Amino acid sequence: GAVVSQHPSWVICKSGTSVKIECRSLDFQATTMFWYRQFPKQSLMLMATSNEGSKATYEQGVEKDKFLINHASLTLSTLTVTSAHPEDSSFYICSARDMDRRGYTFGSGTRLTVV
Amino acid sequence: DAKTTQPPSMDCAEGRAANLPCNHSTISGNEYVYWYRQIHSQGPQYIIHGLKNNETNEMASLIITEDRKSSTLILPHATLRDTAVYYCIALDTGRRALTFGSGTRLQVQP
Repeated sequence: GAVVSQHPSWVICKSGTSVKIECRSLDFQATTMFWYRQFPKQSLMLMATSNEGSKATYEQGVEKDKFLINHASLTLSTLTVTSAHPEDSSFYICSARDMDRRGYTFGSGTRLTVV
Repeated sequence: DAKTTQPPSMDCAEGRAANLPCNHSTISGNEYVYWYRQIHSQGPQYIIHGLKNNETNEMASLIITEDRKSSTLILPHATLRDTAVYYCIALDTGRRALTFGSGTRLQVQP
């Protein structure tokens, strides 16, 4: 089946630094990937839609200058949390759509802790 | 996307069938019903999806009513590892994302 690899699985960083999270589709090409954020005991919230070769589309209330998304190839999208603050601590999850199977596959998530 | 309604929580005895309901009364003709589950601190896992017909795979069965206003996910023999939050999502698949509601927290009891 379709596999999406997300890395790192967890990261701790200091306030003010930037963190990059990678999302790769391993056995299919993904022209569109999605980034979600999940706070404890809450559901997944869509942050942005990442389109290969073009700018990402951000959901209302998500700062595009803070959460930089790059989708430079059909198998890789990256999310960079810039100038991280403790309130950015969350579980970040990526997803990619497998057009052939009509399914959405999710990465295993990245636990970000900003101290 | 059509709004879906699920009970917030359910319990099921290990080895018994778990039947998880979902209401999607405003679903349109080209919207699929997707089911995902999320085990604690992991990414959501695909279970099954369907449009009109009932579907079955190695994980579960999906029963969609004839009017498509509701569906039921059936885990035929629940195990402790099936304890998770289950999400029912109605979506017209284009290039759009899955939108998650609150889901049903299924607790499988030994």
